[in-house]
Amino acid sequence: DAKTTQPPSMDCAEGRAANLPCNHSTISGNEYVYWYRQIHSQGPQYIIHGLKNNETNEMASLIITEDRKSSTLILPHATLRDTAVYYCIVKETSGSRLTFGEGTQLTVNP
Amino acid sequence: DARVTQTPRHKVTEMGQEVTMRCQPILGHNTVFWYRQTMMQGLELLAYFRNRAPLDDSGMPKDRFSAEMPDATLATLKIQPSEPRDSAVYFCASGSRQGSYNSPLHFGNGTRLTVT
Repeated sequence: DAKTTQPPSMDCAEGRAANLPCNHSTISGNEYVYWYRQIHSQGPQYIIHGLKNNETNEMASLIITEDRKSSTLILPHATLRDTAVYYCIVKETSGSRLTFGEGTQLTVNP
Repeated sequence: DARVTQTPRHKVTEMGQEVTMRCQPILGHNTVFWYRQTMMQGLELLAYFRNRAPLDDSGMPKDRFSAEMPDATLATLKIQPSEPRDSAVYFCASGSRQGSYNSPLHFGNGTRLTVT
């Protein structure tokens, strides 16, 4: 699976959009971009995934660049409960293994 | 909401004792994963099963760890004998594989193990 690079930490004001970047320059054509988050003392939680088109669900939006070498997870109106570590993972959907990196610690401030 | 259930949530034990952690995957899910999380190593995959058969346990120390799925509703992770370095949070996750497509994983809230 391709390696990803994320900033170790980010801050965001409550109510504002949180934009979390991820670089995956070695991504291959059949690999998807997945985002999970882990709130303190809980297990990781799936957020969203995509291949090349932008995706949106009730939790977030995922913007993938045309060359697919980077992506951005957008939380449109961050709340204090969105404070968590956010993991960007690249893998094939046929691949069972999910490998976590160090992620980005997002802190939403009041 | 369907959830992955892990028991116990916390376990404190002395070095050398056997530890058993249990996981109830979401009904209908046919893949089960065990992860371990420490401050130093982050989230590491220990083992995973599909349709109750072990597919990969290369991340698990074989001399003391064992993982099984006695039935589709129960996965267990055992450590015997336990050591202080096994102190960590152990997560179970389940998912569904249809053909070559794997659904996103659902994680339990973990078992926090402390070995003294």
